[in-house]
Amino acid sequence: DSGVTQTPKHLITATGQRVTLRCSPRSGDLSVYWYQQSLDQGLQFLIQYYNGEERAKGNILERFSAQQFPDLHSELNLSSLELGDSALYFCASSQTSVTEQFFGPGTRLTVL
Amino acid sequence: DQQVKQNSPSLSVQEGRISILNCDYTNSMFDYFLWYKKYPAEGPTFLISISSIKDKNEDGRFTVFLNKSAKHLSLHIVPSQPGDSAVYFCAASASLSTGPRAQKLVFGQGTRLTINP
Repeated sequence: DSGVTQTPKHLITATGQRVTLRCSPRSGDLSVYWYQQSLDQGLQFLIQYYNGEERAKGNILERFSAQQFPDLHSELNLSSLELGDSALYFCASSQTSVTEQFFGPGTRLTVL
Repeated sequence: DQQVKQNSPSLSVQEGRISILNCDYTNSMFDYFLWYKKYPAEGPTFLISISSIKDKNEDGRFTVFLNKSAKHLSLHIVPSQPGDSAVYFCAASASLSTGPRAQKLVFGQGTRLTINP
């Protein structure tokens, strides 16, 4: 158990819909990262937040957005969903002074 | 542009022998390298890391070697155990100029390791 929690574990929805994925980082970790893993793909970095502020962006679509709240939990919002958005979405967190990121169990999103 | 490559999609090793997983990278700006292990339906689990200023780091049965001139790193597991069967991801860390503590990990495609009894 990494200490990072993600909800829900599974999500099934239809094209055009909007969903919110939630992540709680490890106690004391200020950085939260979101990654996407599509079928047969490695993990792709989406976005990083540090203490409530966006710090880095990867290949995140404009239909996707994220935020980190004062209690440090983070939400990833996916809108106008397409079939190709079906993937595993992982959240990770890290301490300020170290590089290692610790991953949650992921949310499996299926868009029908 | 695949900046981190794991060229072997799979590897099969006898229990008790050494497992060697390889990873190549192209970006000289990477300053930290990590290996993660992943079981199905779980998130990646951090295994071991190495700074770009070192060439070796050891933790129990796991050793990571870094060859900066060749832009190559490897993970050695010895002795290999059945519980080591999983997908192993190599990742490289890049500090970004978008702000303090801005960082991202760039992952390889993974190598599926199978340890045979």
